[in-house]
Amino acid sequence: RKEVEQDPGPFNVPEGATVAFNCTYSNSASQSFFWYRQDCRKEPKLLMSVYSSGNEDGRFTAQLNRASQYISLLIRDSKLSDSATYLCVVNESGNQFYFGTGTSLTVIP
Amino acid sequence: EAQVTQNPRYLITVTGKKLTVTCSQNMNHEYMSWYRQDPGLGLRQIYYSMNVEVTDKGDVPEGYKVSRKEKRNFPLILESPSPNQTSLYFCASSLIGQSYEQYFGPGTRLTVT
Repeated sequence: RKEVEQDPGPFNVPEGATVAFNCTYSNSASQSFFWYRQDCRKEPKLLMSVYSSGNEDGRFTAQLNRASQYISLLIRDSKLSDSATYLCVVNESGNQFYFGTGTSLTVIP
Repeated sequence: EAQVTQNPRYLITVTGKKLTVTCSQNMNHEYMSWYRQDPGLGLRQIYYSMNVEVTDKGDVPEGYKVSRKEKRNFPLILESPSPNQTSLYFCASSLIGQSYEQYFGPGTRLTVT
């Protein structure tokens, strides 16, 4: 069983649309959670950490549901520049990280 | 400029020929890690280090070695590379703490024939 599972997509959405990605994790003792963005086989870059109470950064909102063991990312008012692969990342025991396989997003003009 | 550097960026080698991929960071981060990325499998952690002389296995350590003699450097060593180690490799570093925001190097594309 994979530690972190994501819907690979692809998600093709028009500019201005709202899109949501979900990610589930298997270890209930996982400590911290992140969303990273990766452009076309370049290095991943942190988009946002995910806090228990949920958090927002501009058009991006992240939610954590510990009871159901999933995290989500909501992107509002999609821009062409949001086209990328979004990686869900879970930190276990403070030092090991598990990445989802990524969800591909293409924003269409 | 704060960064993680990796060398080489591209490498084609033959089975069994020992190689080292270097990783260096200039942010005084305690934590460093190596990942490999393969289609359909995502990034998988190979080894990580919490500080100098402290290293531990990640999810897929077989066939790899690491060392952490200095805080800024964390080389990845393949003693006897095999074709199944053909992959895209990323080094990352972070401070240790609640945020664990990892900064990644640009990646090394390795082909073993």
